[in-house]
Order: sequence, then structure tokens, then C-alpha cells
Amino acid sequence: EAGVTQFPSHSVIEKGQTVTLRCDPISGHDNLYWYRRVMGKEIKFLLHFVKESKQDESGMPNNRFLAERTGGTYSTLKVQPAELEDSGVYFCASSSYGGGYTFGSGTRLTVV
Amino acid sequence: AQSVSQHNHHVILSEAASLELGCNYSYGGTVNLFWYVQYPGQHLQLLLKYFSGDPLVKGIKGFEAEFIKSKFSFNLRKPSVQWSDTAEYFCAVIRASGGYNKLIFGAGTRLAVHP
Repeated sequence: EAGVTQFPSHSVIEKGQTVTLRCDPISGHDNLYWYRRVMGKEIKFLLHFVKESKQDESGMPNNRFLAERTGGTYSTLKVQPAELEDSGVYFCASSSYGGGYTFGSGTRLTVV
Repeated sequence: AQSVSQHNHHVILSEAASLELGCNYSYGGTVNLFWYVQYPGQHLQLLLKYFSGDPLVKGIKGFEAEFIKSKFSFNLRKPSVQWSDTAEYFCAVIRASGGYNKLIFGAGTRLAVHP
């Protein structure tokens, strides 16, 4: 089966610009998660979708981050406007009910 | 709040040396425990997991981990490392109760194995 796909793999943007990250989960996986790793620190949870509904968005840093999962398939994470501290690697993962996580390769975001 | 501590941020070993990476978590309830690995340029992959039963868990590529409940620990071991084990290793925890499956990660340990 195809894995979790994320794109772009790398993005370099200027402070104040907008960036949209995309995650395509494994087909049929209702659970979709976003995580972020900043500056070599721990990987931190951002939010969790069950189908198209946000189950938990307690990890979203602030209102500059907007995640959507229209139709319960792929998800986007938009950062607007981007700040320097948003630089890091953004991981997406998906799972079926009761199943294990499958992670994507991540998107490395650099804000300059 | 739950947290996961990995004691070593960087480990350098020679091939055939033994490996032990420490992991402690802070949560008093029942947990499920994981070790993930990220090889250079690749995605996070599951090495092994513990849900219940035998506290000594065997994973892929010769890795194993031991869950010691009294110490809140889940250390990763490998008797003899290879150059191909060079990667970053992450310990992670999920609260087992309440159907809530948010992974809490440690900061990671970067392992470099020299030939």
C-alpha cells in the first residue's frame, strides 16, 4: 500500500509569507495527525483529525496555524503569516482505528 | 503533563559495540510504549512497541527494549551495533486508557556508528 505522503519535502519562505503543507494519509485511515519538530527538540503533537473533524488541536501553537481536512482525505496545514520560530520539520501520520501510526517523510520548513 | 526523557542526545559507538539508550516517562497510569527510528533522509519507522505482557520486547533489526514499570523506563538495547544503525532514535508514549492516542515523544538520541 502507498504510505503517507507529504509535500513539499522542503520549503524556504520569508518571514510574513504564507505556506501550505499537505499530507495525504494512507487510504482508509480515519485518523490523521500533525506533529512538529523544532530545532532538534522533541517531536511535538499539533493536532489530530478523525475523518474531517478535529479531535484534538491542543498542540497548535497559535492562530497563525490553520489545519483542514475537507472530505476526510488529505489534510493541509497553513501557516500565515510565517515567523522565524515556525522553522522546523512538520510530520504527518495516519492510522486506522486501533492501528499503529504510519509517518510521512516530513516537510522541512525554513523561515528566513 | 506527560513527558518522555531520553538521557543521551548524542551517542557515538564503534561497530560491534553494545548499545543501550535510556528512556523514562512520567505518567502514573497505563501506557503503551514505542521506539521509533529515523534513518538519514527517511521517515520515522517503528522499531518496537510494548502494550502488555512480557516486558522484554523484541523488535526489528536485532533491537529489544525492556519495560520496567517501577522505574517508568523503557530502555532500548542492541548487543552489537552496525554502521547501518546510524540514525536518530525516539522513545514515545501513548496513554493506554480513554481511547486517546496522542503520541508523546522524547527529544531523540542521535546515534553514530563508526566502522
